[in-house]
Amino acid sequence: DGGITQSPKYLFRKEGQNVTLSCEQNLNHDAMYWYRQDPGQGLRLIYYSQIVNDFQKGDIAEGYSVSREKKESFPLTVTSAQKNPTAFYLCASSTHQGDTEAFFGQGTRLTVV
Amino acid sequence: RKEVEQDPGPFNVPEGATVAFNCTYSNSASQSFFWYRQDCRKEPKLLMSVYSSGNEDGRFTAQLNRASQYISLLIRDSKLSDSATYLCVVNLNTDKLIFGTGTRLQVFP
Repeated sequence: DGGITQSPKYLFRKEGQNVTLSCEQNLNHDAMYWYRQDPGQGLRLIYYSQIVNDFQKGDIAEGYSVSREKKESFPLTVTSAQKNPTAFYLCASSTHQGDTEAFFGQGTRLTVV
Repeated sequence: RKEVEQDPGPFNVPEGATVAFNCTYSNSASQSFFWYRQDCRKEPKLLMSVYSSGNEDGRFTAQLNRASQYISLLIRDSKLSDSATYLCVVNLNTDKLIFGTGTRLQVFP
C-alpha cells in the first residue's frame, strides 16, 4: 500500500539533545513538508522540499534542520537550539504540480523532559 | 495579513443543523484549494478539493470565490461524527501548501 510513514509515534528527548524524526513516502511525490502543531493551534510550516537535494525554510525554521538526499525521505532534526520543541510534528507529501491533495503521516508527538 | 485566515470557532451546533465556514486567502495567485478534516490528536485528512465551479459531496458543499478571495464549506444535516477541526488549505503555484489555523466544530445531540 502506498502512503507516508512517520516514526516514531511518540518521542521523548532530554533538554539539550538533538533528535531526528523520520518521514518516508512511497507515493513518488516530489514535494514534502514538515509542519508543527501545538495544542489547539493550526499547522505551521517548518521546512518544505520540492525536489531532491533542495529545500526551503518555512515560517518557523529556526532550531530545525532537514535533508532531502532521496525522493522518498525527508528527515527533520530538532536541534538543541529549538527553545520550545514539545509539539506534534506532521510530515506531508504532494505531487510537484501542486494541484492534488497532500497526504499526511500519522505524526510524531515529541516531548522534551 | 495572514496568508490564510479562518474563524477558529468553536461552532457549537445541534444535530441536523446546517453550518458554514469561510476561509480567506491573501495571494491572488493561489492555484488550488482544499478542505481538510482533523480529529483530535490525529493527522489531517482530505475532506474535499474546491473547484472553481463549486462542488458537492453528499452533505458537504465547497465553493470558491476568486474575486473576493475566499472559499467556503457548507455542512448540511450535521451529525455527531462531524465534530472535528476543519482546515482550509491553499496551494500556491510554487507547491507551498498553506494551512489555515482551522475551525472547530462541535455537534451536540
